[in-house]
Amino acid sequence: GENVEQHPSTLSVQEGDSAVIKCTYSDSASNYFPWYKQELGKGPQLIIDIRSNVGEKKDQRIAVTLNKTAKHFSLHITETQPEDSAVYFCAAPSGGSYIPTFGRGTSLIVHP
Amino acid sequence: GAGVSQSPRYKVAKRGQDVALRCDPISGHVSLFWYQQALGQGPEFLTYFQNEAQLDKSGLPSDRFFAERPEGSVSTLKIQRTQQEDSAVYLCASSQEGDTQYFGPGTRLTVL
Repeated sequence: GENVEQHPSTLSVQEGDSAVIKCTYSDSASNYFPWYKQELGKGPQLIIDIRSNVGEKKDQRIAVTLNKTAKHFSLHITETQPEDSAVYFCAAPSGGSYIPTFGRGTSLIVHP
Repeated sequence: GAGVSQSPRYKVAKRGQDVALRCDPISGHVSLFWYQQALGQGPEFLTYFQNEAQLDKSGLPSDRFFAERPEGSVSTLKIQRTQQEDSAVYLCASSQEGDTQYFGPGTRLTVL
């Protein structure tokens, strides 16, 4: 099955700084990589995803990069704001499956 | 439009009691997933439906866990003879095509 590693487990930044969270995966056939934001007491919310036919995708302050050769993908948040504070999860399904394996999560704290 | 809803949001059960957790997916979504999320961890897959067919139940931890989706819409996750280790947040997600999943707010189950 798929194995997903996520780092760091906690990330503390000042408002306005950038934040980067990295994930690695094991199944070279994986082709879909979503990122979720989870606030306290809520379910995970999809914030951005990328498919294996592109190397980068941006949506305003959020971007995701994918390196299929190295089997890693990263979430980049620029100009962080206090409301970005949450737990972020990466995920990757095994190739041919809709069932994702999630990383252990990164707790992002943005200090005003 | 309306997102995924789950009920109840909180459930407290005495050890040995049976519980039933409900998920209302986004209208028209074919795929439905159940996950278990322990404190400080990422969601872990329990089971997957495509319409009314349960295609994968490999994540169900024991035969005390049972899920159904009889009409291909609403789903119920039932846990019989609850134990303390069943305490967790149970998340439901739905998807139109399988890979992009939208999560509900979860049901927090506490077994005393």
